[in-house]
Amino acid sequence: TQLLEQSPQFLSIQEGENLTVYCNSSSVFSSLQWYRQEPGEGPVLLVTVVTGGEVKKLKRLTFQFGDARKDSSLHITAAQPGDTGLYLCAGERSSNYQLIWGAGTKLIIKP
Amino acid sequence: DTAVSQTPKYLVTQMGNDKSIKCEQNLGHDTMYWYKQDSKKFLKIMFSYNNKELIINETVPNRFSPKSPDKAHLNLHINSLELGDSAVYFCASSQAWAVREAFFGQGTRLTVV
Repeated sequence: TQLLEQSPQFLSIQEGENLTVYCNSSSVFSSLQWYRQEPGEGPVLLVTVVTGGEVKKLKRLTFQFGDARKDSSLHITAAQPGDTGLYLCAGERSSNYQLIWGAGTKLIIKP
Repeated sequence: DTAVSQTPKYLVTQMGNDKSIKCEQNLGHDTMYWYKQDSKKFLKIMFSYNNKELIINETVPNRFSPKSPDKAHLNLHINSLELGDSAVYFCASSQAWAVREAFFGQGTRLTVV
């Protein structure tokens, strides 16, 4: 049973478009992290959100943690080919600090 | 300077062989991990070490044995390799046990034939 569901699993859009990907769970997390993984590389941390309702911006990327700390979204404005990659979310269990990983959204931005 | 480095990057071996993957981090972190990423890109934690001590051992066959000679190194030895062990194995580290932000190595693509 996967505790973190990411959607969509795959998204291919044109350069310049906006997009949102989602990370949902029925569990409450003490924090949630977003990573980007490029082919042949390990995941690289983008952001950590901790407080319910928190919004963090990283240039054209906007991350939001749900009020109940069960879900999160990543919005990309004016997507560029360099945004292409696998976006992974990971929630931290407060009971034992373990990270629970989603299966990722594979994003392709076409020039 | 590579923060988390693992070797080899690619490993092709026959069923039944024993192989090791090495990992080193130069970040001064206390905590290190081994993850397995399957063909569907799902990351699954295998082992977590804190200050050289095993903290978490998920449901992993005992053919997999991690070893941490010091805080900066966490190696993974696999005995009697099986076809289903084919995957990408990632080493990662974090500053401390309660600090979840992880830094990952480049991965080792293991192919068992």
